[in-house]
Amino acid sequence: GAVVSQHPSWVICKSGTSVKIECRSLDFQATTMFWYRQFPKQSLMLMATSNEGSKATYEQGVEKDKFLINHASLTLSTLTVTSAHPEDSSFYICSARARVPGLADSSYNEQFFGPGTRLTVL
Amino acid sequence: AQSVTQLDSQVPVFEEAPVELRCNYSSSVSVYLFWYVQYPNQGLQLLLKYLSGSTLVKGINGFEAEFNKSQTSFHLRKPSVHISDTAEYFCAVGLGITGGGNKLTFGTGTQLKVEL
Repeated sequence: GAVVSQHPSWVICKSGTSVKIECRSLDFQATTMFWYRQFPKQSLMLMATSNEGSKATYEQGVEKDKFLINHASLTLSTLTVTSAHPEDSSFYICSARARVPGLADSSYNEQFFGPGTRLTVL
Repeated sequence: AQSVTQLDSQVPVFEEAPVELRCNYSSSVSVYLFWYVQYPNQGLQLLLKYLSGSTLVKGINGFEAEFNKSQTSFHLRKPSVHISDTAEYFCAVGLGITGGGNKLTFGTGTQLKVEL
């Protein structure tokens, strides 16, 4: 159980185009999803927190107009990289926090990570 | 704000030898502590976590870690490594009591390379 998938697993696009990455929780409902990016040989950096039915919360320094996040359902969140440029090339990883009725946000609930999407912008 | 330091970027070790991967953190609020493993081109898998209670935490694949509050450390250990343990290991902290362990801050990772 607790499987998170991402699609596509890798994508190559031309500079200036937009790319959409999907993150799905396959066997559970996720009230919260997180988006991270990881540059080669570096750590994961949290980009934004996405709550179902509400606007995403972006970390400082992350352009919300460039990285559009939509969390339209309890099993799907999407990240759209708009007008992608070579410097946006990275490994994008999502994680999902399961919905547990009655569990407060302040209570620990494990995040399950997707396999990642490698974006290369030419 | 919290931060995580993994001093060793690479740790080579022979198979069946013990290993310790170091992690130090700093935070002005209570945190939960985690170790994740990442295999090439894959997402992260949780090895173990410390939320509260016993400072010695046991995880999957024979790994364990000890939370040391006075030294603000959470070092990962395994008494005997296997070739299959070759991977990138990340230490992470998440907001504690009031944050549910969310908003993870990761260290820069340690590449464990197990050799025959």
